[in-house]
Amino acid sequence: NAGVMQNPRHLVRRRGQEARLRCSPMKGHSHVYWYRQLPEEGLKFMVYLQKENIIDESGMPKERFSAEFPKEGPSILRIQQVVRGDSAAYFCASSPRTGSNTGELFFGEGSRLTVL
Amino acid sequence: SQELEQSPQSLIVQEGKNLTINCTSSKTLYGLYWYKQKYGEGLIFLMMLQKGGEEKSHEKITAKLDEKKQQSSLHITASQPSHAGIYLCGADRRYTGNQFYFGTGTSLTVIP
Repeated sequence: NAGVMQNPRHLVRRRGQEARLRCSPMKGHSHVYWYRQLPEEGLKFMVYLQKENIIDESGMPKERFSAEFPKEGPSILRIQQVVRGDSAAYFCASSPRTGSNTGELFFGEGSRLTVL
Repeated sequence: SQELEQSPQSLIVQEGKNLTINCTSSKTLYGLYWYKQKYGEGLIFLMMLQKGGEEKSHEKITAKLDEKKQQSSLHITASQPSHAGIYLCGADRRYTGNQFYFGTGTSLTVIP
């Protein structure tokens, strides 16, 4: 059973370009979380999605950042007009949680964005 | 302010020594998770605690959730270089605010 797959693992962009990060959850998981980890800092929640729905985007910057989880295909975190401060590791996690059940999150290896 | 605080922020120990990492929440914890992150890699689930007073062990790592359910500790016995990494506690608020968020992290270095 494949784990959470993120790609690309490393991405280099120049200021003003767009970055697209993809996340394929574990098979059978319909809940996806995105986190950002800045150097020397902890893991910051960005957005929580279910298929075709954004459930909680309270951690997402209001501008330039967007996320989606379509019915088919991976979840996408999109950063438009990147700036140097966007350089970070972006982690995706998935869970099978439905209803009131809870369980641990399963993490991908992360996508490391470097903005030149 | 950070809802989950971990202490210490970093720890350097000699191989074979015991150590404890603490995670304190400003709110009641209904589900507390411990993860380990090796440098440059993703997070690996260690264990989950849900009931006050609960204690779980995995190999040489033991975690407890206190009775008042606002603090958890992670204890490593006879540390090894393989224990090195960043330890993160996570709180489950998915029953309310749909978030699963993490503490500040503790960086552990084990010197052979």
